[in-house]
Amino acid sequence: GDSVTQMEGPVTLSEEAFLTINCTYTATGYPSLFWYVQYPGEGLQLLLKATKADDKGSNKGFEATYRKETTSFHLEKGSVQVSDSAVYFCALSDSGNNAGNMLTFGGGTRLMVKP
Amino acid sequence: NAGVMQNPRHLVRRRGQEARLRCSPMKGHSHVYWYRQLPEEGLKFMVYLQKENIIDESGMPKERFSAEFPKEGPSILRIQQVVRGDSAAYFCASSQLVGSRTDTQYFGPGTRLTVL
Repeated sequence: GDSVTQMEGPVTLSEEAFLTINCTYTATGYPSLFWYVQYPGEGLQLLLKATKADDKGSNKGFEATYRKETTSFHLEKGSVQVSDSAVYFCALSDSGNNAGNMLTFGGGTRLMVKP
Repeated sequence: NAGVMQNPRHLVRRRGQEARLRCSPMKGHSHVYWYRQLPEEGLKFMVYLQKENIIDESGMPKERFSAEFPKEGPSILRIQQVVRGDSAAYFCASSQLVGSRTDTQYFGPGTRLTVL
């Protein structure tokens, strides 16, 4: 079945540091890939997405590139801020094996940014 | 355009009681998904519904859990005879149909269920 693996957290960085959160996946079809962010006590917000190989999703300074050859979708940001502190979830939607595009999530990575 | 609405935001039940969680999708969205997030874990798919139809319930526990999405009104996730292990955050997401595929899912704020 489909699965998503993320690096375990917490990841603790100082403000303005470079961020990478690794995400790899396995899928039976040709999935779309997503990063969602969850702030404390809130629901998930879509951060960015990519629907085909070599696509780059970007939003609010975050980027991730769909790498089919390495089955990866690593999240990066050049300079993090305290307000980026949250839990980040990598997810895939594999329409090849289900009627609606249900999401398969990784376990989440908690990011803590210190001033 | 209002987002996905869920209520209540927090729900406390004693063991053996029933829990009803409601979800109103975004305007124009006819597809609803329910996910469960156990403490310190990722989200797990439970069920996918369209209006008046359950499309995929492969993630639903076999007993005590049911879901519906009537023609009128919100989608309901119902948990009968709750147990402590049901304590979790339950998230609803909605999407619209674009061509022959469902589009990006947008999530509600979740209902945090605590079973005493």
